[in-house]
Amino acid sequence: QVTLRESGPGLVKRTQTLTVTCTFSGFSLTSSNRMCVSWIRQPPGKALEWLGLVDWDDDKYFNPSLRTRLTISKDTSKNQVVLTMTDMDPADTATYYCARGGVFDGNTYYYAWDYWGQGTLVTVSS
Amino acid sequence: QSALTQPPSASGSLGQSVTISCSGTSSDVGGYNSVTWYQQYPGQAPKLLIYEVNKRPSGVPDRVSGSKSGNTASLTVSGLQADDEGDYYCSSYAGRNNFVVFGGGTKLTVL
Repeated sequence: QVTLRESGPGLVKRTQTLTVTCTFSGFSLTSSNRMCVSWIRQPPGKALEWLGLVDWDDDKYFNPSLRTRLTISKDTSKNQVVLTMTDMDPADTATYYCARGGVFDGNTYYYAWDYWGQGTLVTVSS
Repeated sequence: QSALTQPPSASGSLGQSVTISCSGTSSDVGGYNSVTWYQQYPGQAPKLLIYEVNKRPSGVPDRVSGSKSGNTASLTVSGLQADDEGDYYCSSYAGRNNFVVFGGGTKLTVL
């Protein structure tokens, strides 16, 4: 059974750095699986926004508008993926989700996510 | 402002069909057969409905279908049921630089 769960601080102050951890089970980010995990966020009442991803080979892709502020790392021994975002602003207030790249017919789809965490709300105070 | 354009709202009566559009460019929707659709209920994570324009993951009923023509993709939900109410988002692969872009979402109301 595949599950993902995000954990974060809940509240951060403007200019601080956000760290959110995605702990997953039911799959692994190792070479034998060729899987990936993406980060997506959603401000309250607004649309989804893709942030970035890390794959089994430690390749990383980022939203170009946020690239300079984002870091994504993985710890395969802990089955975790960590997102850090620097210089937080109230406009970054959102629910942050991690999601697995979809696996269908033995193929992994980096841009279609089949399992999602429940999300963690991060509020940035000014 | 989202990269892909969706109507903010759509509606249909129980049992009828509704189609939601998702307009992009040749750099995203029109350039790749990689359009994805999600359904989201309030307070919940999105659920994958369609990938690769028109493929359904197991568990998604066949009354949900996707298509694409040029730079516009569409999601059709037939035989509308009460629990089809929710927000629907499209996304598309947009090349190695932008990777994934989303639409602004469409709120579907079942009358």
